[in-house]
Amino acid sequence: DTGVSQDPRHKITKRGQNVTFRCDPISEHNRLYWYRQTLGQGPEFLTYFQNEAQLEKSRLLSDRFSAERPKGSFSTLEIQRTEQGDSAMYLCASSPPTGKLYEQYFGPGTRLTVT
Amino acid sequence: AQSVTQLDSHVSVSEGTPVLLRCNYSSSYSPSLFWYVQHPNKGLQLLLKYTSAATLVKGINGFEAEFKKSETSFHLTKPSAHMSDAAEYFCVVGGTDSWGKLQFGAGTQVVVTP
Repeated sequence: DTGVSQDPRHKITKRGQNVTFRCDPISEHNRLYWYRQTLGQGPEFLTYFQNEAQLEKSRLLSDRFSAERPKGSFSTLEIQRTEQGDSAMYLCASSPPTGKLYEQYFGPGTRLTVT
Repeated sequence: AQSVTQLDSHVSVSEGTPVLLRCNYSSSYSPSLFWYVQHPNKGLQLLLKYTSAATLVKGINGFEAEFKKSETSFHLTKPSAHMSDAAEYFCVVGGTDSWGKLQFGAGTQVVVTP
């Protein structure tokens, strides 16, 4: 399968713990996006990488959240001191470097439950 | 600012009958509009896109959508629903930035009954 993959698919954690999610984009895609989807809502943009550079961050991305893409390939999203309000599906998407700017390919998501 | 409003949170149709999912958009510029589908435990999949070419856009699985500027609408239709069409559908508008931010609607849950 050459699509976008995310790991883990599900994560249950206790409030106050740190969690880290991983996204592996399609190999030739240099653009990578993170979105958050809460129950009954559409995905909301969190942050954007072009290669290894983080170029955009939503105000939804509080200082407890940090994202990296160290070598311009896979990306990680870390949440520190999790809160119950962080419970959501975290989606990763990637798109190719030339044209088709909005043609984003989504991974299956990581569902986070904070107890 | 760009935004989309999906007018129905739930739609129930019988198998073999037409499907209509309604979406209105708000945009200061000529928008790029999309419909995505999300099946349970699967990633979002692009159904179709409008990027200022033909106003009637055909997508995958028999879906199509018509861009109507005068009504600021981009409704999704399918002539005959199939059981496999049961899923959540999102109307999406592309931002005016240069890097591809997508603004999603709240979604419409489609139920197909036999």
